[in-house]
Amino acid sequence: DIQMTQSPSTLSASVGDRVIITCRASQTISNYLAWYQQKPGKAPDLLIYDASRLESGVPSRFSGSESGTEFTLTISSLQPDDFATYYCQQYNSYPYTFGQGTKLDIK
Amino acid sequence: EVRLVESGGGLVKPGGSLRLSCAASGFTLGSYNMNWVRQAPGKGLEWVSSITISIGSPYTYYADSVKGRFTISRDDASGSLHLQMDNLRAGDTAIYYCARSIAVRPLPLDYWGQGTLVTVSS
Repeated sequence: DIQMTQSPSTLSASVGDRVIITCRASQTISNYLAWYQQKPGKAPDLLIYDASRLESGVPSRFSGSESGTEFTLTISSLQPDDFATYYCQQYNSYPYTFGQGTKLDIK
Repeated sequence: EVRLVESGGGLVKPGGSLRLSCAASGFTLGSYNMNWVRQAPGKGLEWVSSITISIGSPYTYYADSVKGRFTISRDDASGSLHLQMDNLRAGDTAIYYCARSIAVRPLPLDYWGQGTLVTVSS
């Protein structure tokens, strides 16, 4: 099974900050990597797929990149609505696997 | 409007069974692979099972933690997805989400339902 190692597990930041969340795959997954945002009591929302493609309707302050088996989610300028938990997920092969999550909270 | 609505959750004793359903509307179910993902209280997301589109017989996939106990199925004519859960354990306690992924090529879970809570406890 492909392991997804996500870091950090928690991140404290302020409105306007630039934040980066990292996800590393235990083996090659091509670019089949997605990022989701989840708010308390809600289902996850897809933000980015194919490592760097922005899902329709997602603000452009979100971006994704890849370098080999390392993937990053960048939020260029944090907005109040962005404080949530973020997950990466590989969909290259079954079993699909998620990262452990990054809780982004207000500093 | 795309909608996925889960139902069938509840309280069940260890060793018991439940059948979850997911009603799909606003899109052609037959064009999508369908998935179940769960989230234990206060924990992260865990993929549970997937079923491919029904060209011939669909393929099914399961997490090791549920293999042999859970069965995924779909009924495209009625627009529904199901998860039969047998021999339930306390560790199966979670919110269960259904989610779709288009079947053209590997693609992520782009729409999710709001989930149904399964509690396994004596």
